[in-house]
Amino acid sequence: AQSVAQPEDQVNVAEGNPLTVKCTYSVSGNPYLFWYVQYPNRGLQFLLKYITGDNLVKGSYGFEAEFNKSQTSFHLKKPSALVSDSALYFCAVRDDSNYQLIWGAGTKLIIKP
Amino acid sequence: GAGVSQTPSNKVTEKGKYVELRCDPISGHTALYWYRQSLGQGPEFLIYFQGTGAADDSGLPNDRFFAVRPEGSVSTLKIQRTERGDSAVYLCASSYIAGDTQYFGPGTRLTVL
Repeated sequence: AQSVAQPEDQVNVAEGNPLTVKCTYSVSGNPYLFWYVQYPNRGLQFLLKYITGDNLVKGSYGFEAEFNKSQTSFHLKKPSALVSDSALYFCAVRDDSNYQLIWGAGTKLIIKP
Repeated sequence: GAGVSQTPSNKVTEKGKYVELRCDPISGHTALYWYRQSLGQGPEFLIYFQGTGAADDSGLPNDRFFAVRPEGSVSTLKIQRTERGDSAVYLCASSYIAGDTQYFGPGTRLTVL
């Protein structure tokens, strides 16, 4: 069965410091991996995805994520955090046999000035 | 361009009543998805359409839930005999083709009293 784990309910980072939000997954076929961000009372916004190719994927707002097949991880990173990055972040996965996304429980990212 | 829109943004109903939730996808997107998000959790897949047909309805929790997309554009999620446990945010997403990046609407918050 497919699953996604986001082991941290909350991540606290000082503004200007690098941030990492962790995600590990389990799928039976080839993984298609996604990160979305959710601001209060707003819908989910697409940040980036990994389908194939380069393991380092760059996305919106300066975010990037690294696909690690051996560790089945897809951690979200940003070199220098902004207060405006504070939001709820979701990792999602599907495999190549279906199109429904399986989601993690989300990680609340808090960037302190 | 216009994103995915959902109406109403909020719906309060009484236990046992019937509700309809509407989703208007991005113009030209052939695939449409419904998810349900409970507080503190990631979205949960319900159903997806490719064109007018439901390609995968494996996430619908029971036969009280039904969705249609008669002309391959707007979709309606219908819930009969609502229960308090149906209270959640119902999210709609669309993609250009099935499997492509999904773009989400703001959601409909359903509260069953």
